[in-house]
Formats: sequence, structure tokens, C-alpha cells
Amino acid sequence: RKEVEQDPGPFNVPEGATVAFNCTYSNSASQSFFWYRQDCRKEPKLLMSVYSSGNEDGRFTAQLNRASQYISLLIRDSKLSDSATYLCVVKEVDSSYKLIFGSGTRLLVRP
Amino acid sequence: DADVTQTPRNRITKTGKRIMLECSQTKGHDRMYWYRQDPGLGLRLIYYSFDVKDINKGEISDGYSVSRQAQAKFSLSLESAIPNQTALYFCATRENTNYGYTFGSGTRLTVV
Repeated sequence: RKEVEQDPGPFNVPEGATVAFNCTYSNSASQSFFWYRQDCRKEPKLLMSVYSSGNEDGRFTAQLNRASQYISLLIRDSKLSDSATYLCVVKEVDSSYKLIFGSGTRLLVRP
Repeated sequence: DADVTQTPRNRITKTGKRIMLECSQTKGHDRMYWYRQDPGLGLRLIYYSFDVKDINKGEISDGYSVSRQAQAKFSLSLESAIPNQTALYFCATRENTNYGYTFGSGTRLTVV
């Protein structure tokens, strides 16, 4: 079983739609979680951290469910510019601060 | 100038050749990482370093070596390149207490 699993998609949605991605992680002791965005052939960029109580940044909402070991990302009012691959990331449970990346969920927002 | 610079951006090399990928950063971060990305597999850690002369293996270090000659520089070498090392390679840095990574723009390596 992969340490971090995501549905590869693609999710194809119209502009203005609300879309949600889920991600599951295998290590119940994991403490830190993130969503990264990656445009085609570009480097990943931090979108937002995920906090236990859930957190929001504009149109983006991230939530954590520790009991079920999943993380979610909700995007409201989708824009064409949201088209990208979204990577779920979990920090390794040791002092190395290594990050473990999911393989990503691709989002396509159409006009 | 970019905070994390990778060179070259693209490289095609032949099987058996030695190749070095360079990474330099201006952020003053101690921690540096090399990842490779393959379609459908996500990013996988090759090597990481917490300081000059500190080298640690990641999950896929076989066939690779690294050198941390200075705080700002972390180079990745393929001693004898093989076709399944064709991938997109990313260097990343982070502060000691900041969880976020800053990635370089990547090196697209093709081994023929």
C-alpha cells in the first residue's frame, strides 16, 4: 500500500463549479499535512498546510480526518487558472522532516 | 534570480555516461533534497542533506550519489546513466523550522 494515495483524475469541471479531492495516508502517527499545486512540467508549489481544525484560504478549504486518515481539498468557484495537478503531502514521522508526496490529482477547469 | 536554481534545465545523455545535476540556493537554508518525478509515481526522495558534509539516503538512492560542498550547493550525480533514470529531477530546500519546501524549476533528464 502506498503511503499517500490520491485519485489521479482527471476531474473535468466547468468554471464556477465546486470540486473536492481526497487523499488517504497510511501512517496514523503522521502529524503534518500539506497540499501542493503543480502546473505541467513545472515545480510543485505549496498551496496550503492542513490543520486539524480545518483551514480556509480564499476559495480553498483543507480538512483533516485523523480517524479515517484522510485529507481533503475543496475548491469553490473554480477558475480556469485552477487547472493543475494537486499533490497531497505528508511529513515523515521522524526528525528528518522529509515530505512524502502523493502522485497527484489532475484538475481541468473548462470554460 | 530564482531562490533555488537547477542546471541544466534539460539534458539528453547516453547510457553509461556520467552526468551531474547542479543545485544552488540563495535562501540560506540548511536542508536540501533531491527528488525524482515519474508519471503516475509522484515525487520520490533520492538523497537529502541537513548540512555541509551531511548526506542521507532516500528511498531510491541506488545508482545516484550526491555532494554537499557548501551550504548553498547540493549536486546529484549519475555515475553510469541508464534509461530508467529518465525522469524529471527536482532539488528542494527548507528552513529548519519551516515545513514548506522551495523547489527548483527541475531538470528534465533523458537517457538514451
